[in-house]
Amino acid sequence: DIVLTQSPATLSVTPGESVSLSCRASQGISTSIHWYQQKSNESPRLLIKYASQSISGIPSRFSGSGSGTDFTLSINRVESEDFSVYYCQQSYSLPRTFGAGTKLELK
Amino acid sequence: EVKLLESGGGLVQPGGSMRLSCAASGFTFTDFYMNWIRQPAGKAPEWLGFIRNKANGYTTEYNPSVKGRFTISRDNTQNMLYLQMNTLRAEDTATYYCARRWTTGPFDYWGQGVMVTVSS
Repeated sequence: DIVLTQSPATLSVTPGESVSLSCRASQGISTSIHWYQQKSNESPRLLIKYASQSISGIPSRFSGSGSGTDFTLSINRVESEDFSVYYCQQSYSLPRTFGAGTKLELK
Repeated sequence: EVKLLESGGGLVQPGGSMRLSCAASGFTFTDFYMNWIRQPAGKAPEWLGFIRNKANGYTTEYNPSVKGRFTISRDNTQNMLYLQMNTLRAEDTATYYCARRWTTGPFDYWGQGVMVTVSS
């Protein structure tokens, strides 16, 4: 199975800061990585697909980059509604796997 | 509007069985792979398996963690997805989601989830 390691586990920031969340794959997966946001008591929501492709309806402050084994989700100027948990997920091979998540919290 | 609505969760004893349902609407159901994903409280999601679309013969794939105990099926006349869960264990306690995707790529729509608790 492909293991996805997300870091940091928790990120404490103030609104207006820009942040980067990391996801590292245990083997090369090209750009087959997707990012989700999950707010408390809600279902995950797709933010970015295939490492860097934007999703309709998602604010432009969210962007993604990377290929191979190292991937980054960037949030430009965090807003209050962004405080939630972020997961990466790979679609390179079966079984599909998710990272353990990064919790973005208010400092 | 795409909608996925799970039902059928609740409390079940260890060793018991349960069937979850997912009602789909707002898209051409037969075009999509349909997935089941679960998430224990406070933990990351875990993909359980999918059933392919019409073009790919409605075949199934499972996570080895549940293969042999869980079965995914679909009723394309009713736009329904099912998850039959047998020999349930305490560690199967989680919120269960159905989610759709194209032949590859991300899970672009998720249901609201249904809770399953395995306990005596």
